[in-house]
Amino acid sequence: DGGITQSPKYLFRKEGQNVTLSCEQNLNHDAMYWYRQDPGQGLRLIYYSQIVNDFQKGDIAEGYSVSREKKESFPLTVTSAQKNPTAFYLCASSRSYYEDTQYFGPGTRLTVL
Amino acid sequence: KNQVEQSPQSLIILEGKNCTLQCNYTVSPFSNLRWYKQDTGRGPVSLTIMTFSENTKSNGRYTATLDADTKQSSLHITASQLSDSASYICVVSVTGGGNKLTFGTGTQLKVEL
Repeated sequence: DGGITQSPKYLFRKEGQNVTLSCEQNLNHDAMYWYRQDPGQGLRLIYYSQIVNDFQKGDIAEGYSVSREKKESFPLTVTSAQKNPTAFYLCASSRSYYEDTQYFGPGTRLTVL
Repeated sequence: KNQVEQSPQSLIILEGKNCTLQCNYTVSPFSNLRWYKQDTGRGPVSLTIMTFSENTKSNGRYTATLDADTKQSSLHITASQLSDSASYICVVSVTGGGNKLTFGTGTQLKVEL
């Protein structure tokens, strides 16, 4: 898991609520990523950030939002607009956006009640 | 459309036995191919990385091969151990940046006594 931490490990949300997943890295990496993992599917990219104060939509950004105010932090908010948010969420980082060795955090499992 | 397909979907072997996992990809332009190991409820950890010109790469009991002509890769595990029980994910990247990774759905390996 390297120097990437995610919290909480488990998160339960009621329908209609927004929740924020934390991702912190102490690797001094410029680029950070959020993925969603569902059973029987490969990881899908939600958002990515090449550098602080920058972020871009990935393949499945609808219903999610992010911020990158600090180099080491890249929180993900799952909004009530996300129709099927129950999944395993993985944060990753890489030294730069153009170096594609990504190091993953331990993940957060979000369950909608 | 870039795709990565892995087989088998799941596999059960006895401790001490060898096994081989397969990965076929239709990704272009190819940059590199990685194998990741993901323990249940954890983030993926990189095992090997191979570029276009590399045919084989070893990491302890793990040996990956790459045939860029047929767009196939395999991961061979020698003398399996209980701790090898995990999902093994094949990831192919194209040139262009960290948002250009295509993930396979993984092979779930279980090693039993």
